[in-house]
Amino acid sequence: RKEVEQDPGPFNVPEGATVAFNCTYSNSASQSFFWYRQDCRKEPKLLMSVYSSGNEDGRFTAQLNRASQYISLLIRDSKLSDSATYLCVAFLNQGGKLIFGQGTELSVKP
Amino acid sequence: GAVVSQHPSRVICKSGTSVKIECRSLDFQATTMFWYRQFPKQSLMLMATSNEGSKATYEQGVEKDKFLINHASLTLSTLTVTSAHPEDSSFYICSAEIRETYNSPLHFGNGTRLTVT
Repeated sequence: RKEVEQDPGPFNVPEGATVAFNCTYSNSASQSFFWYRQDCRKEPKLLMSVYSSGNEDGRFTAQLNRASQYISLLIRDSKLSDSATYLCVAFLNQGGKLIFGQGTELSVKP
Repeated sequence: GAVVSQHPSRVICKSGTSVKIECRSLDFQATTMFWYRQFPKQSLMLMATSNEGSKATYEQGVEKDKFLINHASLTLSTLTVTSAHPEDSSFYICSAEIRETYNSPLHFGNGTRLTVT
């Protein structure tokens, strides 16, 4: 079983749609969680951290459920520029490792 | 602006040659740097953790004699792919840890796309 597992995708949605990405992690020792965005052939860039209480940044909402070891990302009113691969990431404080999910590709069409 | 600079961004080499990739932290000292590899349509896989002044820690399945890591200073780590083969063709990314920035523990270089012919 992969340590961080995401929806396989790809997600093809029209502009303005709401899209949700799901992610599960297997290591209960994971202490911090993030969503990164990766454009084709580029390095990953931090989109947002994920807090237990849930957090929102504009059109993006992240949720964390530690009991279920589940993380989600909701994108509202999707834009063409949101097209990218979204990576769910767990951070293990011990050793300072970031464990990446395989990514979910999003394609927003006009 | 970029806080981690990686060079070169792209390299094409012949099978059997060695390739060195540099990762520099800009405006901060990085005691720890990480090297990742990403194959097409796959996630980033941690290869090794590079600690300044000491030997790198390699992940299971990564050949330390093939992927030489040197972290001689607080601002520079290098990854050398020795005797590269076509199966080593991949996207290699370094990152540096900034402990003070808890919300974003790692800053990534822009990556190096290696193609071995």
